[in-house]
Amino acid sequence: GENVEQHPSTLSVQEGDSAVIKCTYSDSASNYFPWYKQELGKRPQLIIDIRSNVGEKKDQRIAVTLNKTAKHFSLHITETQPEDSAVYFCAPRGYGGSQGNLIFGKGTKLSVKP
Amino acid sequence: DVKVTQSSRYLVKRTGEKVFLECVQDMDHENMFWYRQDPGLGLRLIYFSYDVKMKEKGDIPEGYSVSREKKERFSLILESASTNQTSMYLCASSLRGSASREQYFGPGTRLTVT
Repeated sequence: GENVEQHPSTLSVQEGDSAVIKCTYSDSASNYFPWYKQELGKRPQLIIDIRSNVGEKKDQRIAVTLNKTAKHFSLHITETQPEDSAVYFCAPRGYGGSQGNLIFGKGTKLSVKP
Repeated sequence: DVKVTQSSRYLVKRTGEKVFLECVQDMDHENMFWYRQDPGLGLRLIYFSYDVKMKEKGDIPEGYSVSREKKERFSLILESASTNQTSMYLCASSLRGSASREQYFGPGTRLTVT
């Protein structure tokens, strides 16, 4: 099965700085790479995703980059704001024959200090 | 608007009780999932279902069972609750197929077993 690791587990930045969270996975058949954000007391929500035929995707201040050869993908947040404080989960799609399963990493707690 | 609801936000049960957690989605999604979320462990998949009356074990199915009699409803059952099942339980749903794998989460049920 898929082995997913996220680094770092906690990250503290000053408002306005950039933040980068990396996710490594083991299943070379993985072809879908999303990031979820969970604010305190709320449900996880998809913020950005990328498919294996694309190397990078941007949406305003967030971007995801994929390195299929090295089997890792990263979340980049620029010009961080206090509302970016949350736990972020990567969730590469694992088992080849499943019906939409995602394998979640353990999460990265991002704190943005004003 | 996409909507996944769970029967309770907070639940307190005694050891040995039978516990039912219910999840309902109104998006006509084929896939439904049950996760438990514990600090430092991320989201761990308990069971999932990709069709009515179909179910498959996730990573941590021991001590749990599920029921999916209708497309919109997915129930998680703790046959005999134990203190190590104290956790946050999250339900999610998604469309079948490769076009979209976004999972939509419910608000969660925080279960305490005493």
